[in-house]
Amino acid sequence: DTEVTQTPKHLVMGMTNKKSLKCEQHMGHRAMYWYKQKAKKPPELMFVYSYEKLSINESVPSRFSPECPNSSLLNLHLHALQPEDSALYLCASSLLGGHEQYFGPGTRLTVT
Amino acid sequence: SQQGEEDPQALSIQEGENATMNCSYKTSINNLQWYRQNSGRGLVHLILIRSNEREKHSGRLRVTLDTSKKSSSLLITASRAADTASYFCATGRTGTASKLTFGTGTRLQVTL
Repeated sequence: DTEVTQTPKHLVMGMTNKKSLKCEQHMGHRAMYWYKQKAKKPPELMFVYSYEKLSINESVPSRFSPECPNSSLLNLHLHALQPEDSALYLCASSLLGGHEQYFGPGTRLTVT
Repeated sequence: SQQGEEDPQALSIQEGENATMNCSYKTSINNLQWYRQNSGRGLVHLILIRSNEREKHSGRLRVTLDTSKKSSSLLITASRAADTASYFCATGRTGTASKLTFGTGTRLQVTL
């Protein structure tokens, strides 16, 4: 199984809402990532988890809160977002040590 | 910003023609990867070339890497309409996690 799944596919939320994005992989990868991608732009790294521990936070605002409950799951908790946070949020996983990353289809987030 | 640059930004060719995309980057790297993204969806890994390699082939793809010039190129031969997508280069350094920095991307349109 070489698939990374993400739910939901689309999400519309108000600025006062709390929501969560979910990501799952069963490839035994111990590195997992969250990226943010605006239209016609490249993905930008947000967070990296290694062995279920947060190893990189690219100075992301605290209204984004990642969580890695186990080696297969990655969540991104959202709270008090701004309209400029509207984007495609991509999850990825990989083996550790400089290998190709496997991406999920993304969650299209719209903040109203 | 450590983001790489790609050129051209957009490329339109006819089916059967070859497509060449170029990527320049700024920092020392351990590897360089190419990804494809169909409109608004997740990224698909195409090929990885390590810093001690100069050329690599995979099917209709040919990648070159010149570390002295900090540049890479992706050649797609005998293009097909299904190759229509955005293509991104991404540079990575090894470590406990593969932190990828994506280039600005090339939008390829292949017409019948």
